[in-house]
Amino acid sequence: NAGVMQNPRHLVRRRGQEARLRCSPMKGHSHVYWYRQLPEEGLKFMVYLQKENIIDESGMPKERFSAEFPKEGPSILRIQQVVRGDSAAYFCASSLDRENTEAFFGQGTRLTVV
Amino acid sequence: GESVGLHLPTLSVQEGDNSIINCAYSNSASDYFIWYKQESGKGPQFIIDIRSNMDKRQGQRVTVLLNKTVKHLSLQIAATQPGDSAVYFCAETGPTGANSKLTFGKGITLSVRP
Repeated sequence: NAGVMQNPRHLVRRRGQEARLRCSPMKGHSHVYWYRQLPEEGLKFMVYLQKENIIDESGMPKERFSAEFPKEGPSILRIQQVVRGDSAAYFCASSLDRENTEAFFGQGTRLTVV
Repeated sequence: GESVGLHLPTLSVQEGDNSIINCAYSNSASDYFIWYKQESGKGPQFIIDIRSNMDKRQGQRVTVLLNKTVKHLSLQIAATQPGDSAVYFCAETGPTGANSKLTFGKGITLSVRP
């Protein structure tokens, strides 16, 4: 049973380019969460999705960031026109349900904007 | 605003000794607390959790204590091993769902001396 799979593990983008981060949840999990981690800091919640629906996006920046979790395929976190401040590790987690089961984290995507 | 934070940035312990990692939270509505371990280059790994209706919970070599009066959470690791070296985060969430939006502390580095 594979865990949460994120790719790519490392992504380098020039300022102004687009970054697309992918997350495949654990088998059977329909709840996906995205977090951002800056160096030497804890994780900050960004968005919570459940198949085709955004449940909570209170942690998403208002511009340039978007997330989706289509019926088929992985969840995508998209960052348009990246800036240096977007450099961080982006983690995805998935769970079986919202309430009672553990959320498992992926290995993360480390985005570097040059 | 509400926050979850850790008292000390680093903790160095001798192999075989017990470790105690402390965490303070400020949101009195916090309902569910989790300790995570994060090794270098990896995603957070669930260690143990506790709900607000409990004071203590034990796992394998780990114990979590919750003091709601002073809003304090601690993680105790018995017979600390080199493999315990990592960054430890406490996280909390409110009554909207255990996984829905975790608030993480900044993290403390545990270093185990051989």
